[in-house]
Amino acid sequence: QKEVEQNSGPLSVPEGAIASLNCTYSDRGSQSFFWYRQYSGKSPELIMFIYSNGDKEDGRFTAQLNKASQYVSLLIRDSQPSDSATYLCAAYSGGGADGLTFGKGTHLIIQP
Amino acid sequence: GAVVSQHPSWVICKSGTSVKIECRSLDFQATTMFWYRQFPKQSLMLMATSNEGSKATYEQGVEKDKFLINHASLTLSTLTVTSAHPEDSSFYICSAYTGNTIYFGEGSWLTVV
Repeated sequence: QKEVEQNSGPLSVPEGAIASLNCTYSDRGSQSFFWYRQYSGKSPELIMFIYSNGDKEDGRFTAQLNKASQYVSLLIRDSQPSDSATYLCAAYSGGGADGLTFGKGTHLIIQP
Repeated sequence: GAVVSQHPSWVICKSGTSVKIECRSLDFQATTMFWYRQFPKQSLMLMATSNEGSKATYEQGVEKDKFLINHASLTLSTLTVTSAHPEDSSFYICSAYTGNTIYFGEGSWLTVV
């Protein structure tokens, strides 16, 4: 069974610091990975996705992928209180929509 | 802007009545849509996978006769909560598969009184 694991948190980070969110996945056939942010009472929104090993940067966000270790992370630089949310990691193994597996999310708190 | 639109954003209904929630993909055709339920401070719970032109696939423990799903076109899926009860009050979220990623609708808050 395909699984995506995340530490549920809460992860508390001081404002201005780097927040590091981690995710591991069980299916070595996973091809691409997604990070979603969900504010309390709102639906998830896509932040970024990554396909290749290494880093992918988008503004204050950097996604890191290591397929050998089956590990994907999201770094948030210069953390702001508005970044406080639950972050969901998802892995896609192909084969259509059934190939997408979500983690249960990490609750991030940015302390002012 | 939003690529998946969900309506209504919130609805209050009386116990025993039925409520329909719509999920539309904007600017793309979605052969597959998903319906989730989320209770406060809990993670997303997948209810069912909606496939255009065929019956929905329900997750274990979800009553298919209570939560009716219709995916009549490539851009619209509907969830009808039949004979709603207060315990059905929750945040219902749909998502649509674009072919290489999934976007979520804005969600619908259902309160059954």
